[in-house]
Order: sequence, then structure tokens, then C-alpha cells
Amino acid sequence: EVQLVESGGGLVQPGGSRRLSCAASGFTFRNSAMSWVRQAPGKGLQWVSAISGSGDSTYYADSVKGRFTISRDNSKNTLYLQMNSLRGEDTAVYYCARHTGGGWGQGTLVTVPS
Amino acid sequence: QSALTQPASVSGSPGQSITISCTGTSSDIGNYNYVSWYQQHPGKAPKLIIYDVSNRPSGVSNRFSGSKSGYTASLTISGLQAEDEADYFCSSYASSGTLVFGGGTKLTVL
Repeated sequence: EVQLVESGGGLVQPGGSRRLSCAASGFTFRNSAMSWVRQAPGKGLQWVSAISGSGDSTYYADSVKGRFTISRDNSKNTLYLQMNSLRGEDTAVYYCARHTGGGWGQGTLVTVPS
Repeated sequence: QSALTQPASVSGSPGQSITISCTGTSSDIGNYNYVSWYQQHPGKAPKLIIYDVSNRPSGVSNRFSGSKSGYTASLTISGLQAEDEADYFCSSYASSGTLVFGGGTKLTVL
């Protein structure tokens, strides 16, 4: 069974940093492109960043470009999101998602007081 | 404005079937069979109910089914139940290497 488990969320002061992790199991992680998706309070789902299976290609939403960095460790079956220069508008629940074949986590909440 | 277009709301009576549409472009739904659907109850995390257009994760009721035609994907819920009242979101893999999402549809069970 595909499982994605996020961790690392919490309260972060404006301008601060946080690293999120997503532990994957139940599928061949290195073969799967992955994304981070977020949902701000009362809002819809917003794609944040994506990475290819090898990690060679990365993509970012304009709202986080230059501040967030996506990466992965295929030896540990883990996806990461390094978030720097955090702002109030980054407050959201962050989910990791597998692009194909199904896979969605339970989310981790990041709160940045504005 | 969301990349994928969903109706803001749909409604149906218990026992009926309803369909929620999700319209994209040739850069996403029209070119890839990687559409997903999520169900979200108030105050809860979204739950994946359909992936790769028509596949259900383990444990998801077979009352939920997905399909695609051209640039439009559809989620059908048959035998509507009160517990199906929720928000539903669609997503698709896109040629840019990213995921695109719909704005969500509120399902009301009358």
C-alpha cells in the first residue's frame, strides 16, 4: 500500500526557516516524480513544487521561487521541502503527492504569524 | 484563478447519482491520464479517492468512479449518501512537470 507521511511542520516566525519531510513507502520511490501541495486556511489546493524521480529536475510556483527548495534522498525514500524567508501567506497545511500511481499524505501544518 | 475548471457546487438527493466535471487543456487533462480526485470534509484533510483517471485507492467505496473524455475529467458518485457531502477537488499532471488543481466543488446532499 502506498503511504506518504509528512513531518516537520510547526510555528515559525516571519523570516524564519523550516524543513519538511515526506517519508514514502509501498512503491518504487526513485521512479516517481513528486510534488508538495499546500492548502491555506479556507482555501483550495495549491501546487508548490515538484521534482523528478532522479531529482535532476525541479519546478516551483512563482510564489515560492527563490525561497523554497525541493529535494529528495532516494536512498532514504524521503522527499524534502526547505522553506526559507517564510511569510504569513505561507501558512498552510503542506501535503506531499505522487504524480502518478496514487499517493497523498495526511499533511503537516506550518504556521507563520503575520 | 485555478488552472482546472470545476463547477462551484452540485447537489443531489440520497440514492441518486451525480457527476462533477473538471475541465483542462491540451497541456494537462487532454494529454495525460493522470487525473486525481480528492474528497474533503469540513475541518479534515483532503482524501485521495481517484488516481490516474479511474483508479480507486484501497478502501475507497466503488460508488466513486472517474472517467475522462478529451479535455474534461469527471467524477461520478452513485447511490448518493449523506456522508458524501463534502468538497471535491481535481488535479492533473501537466506538461510543465507540475500538478494543476481545480478550484473545488461543494457537493450538497439534499
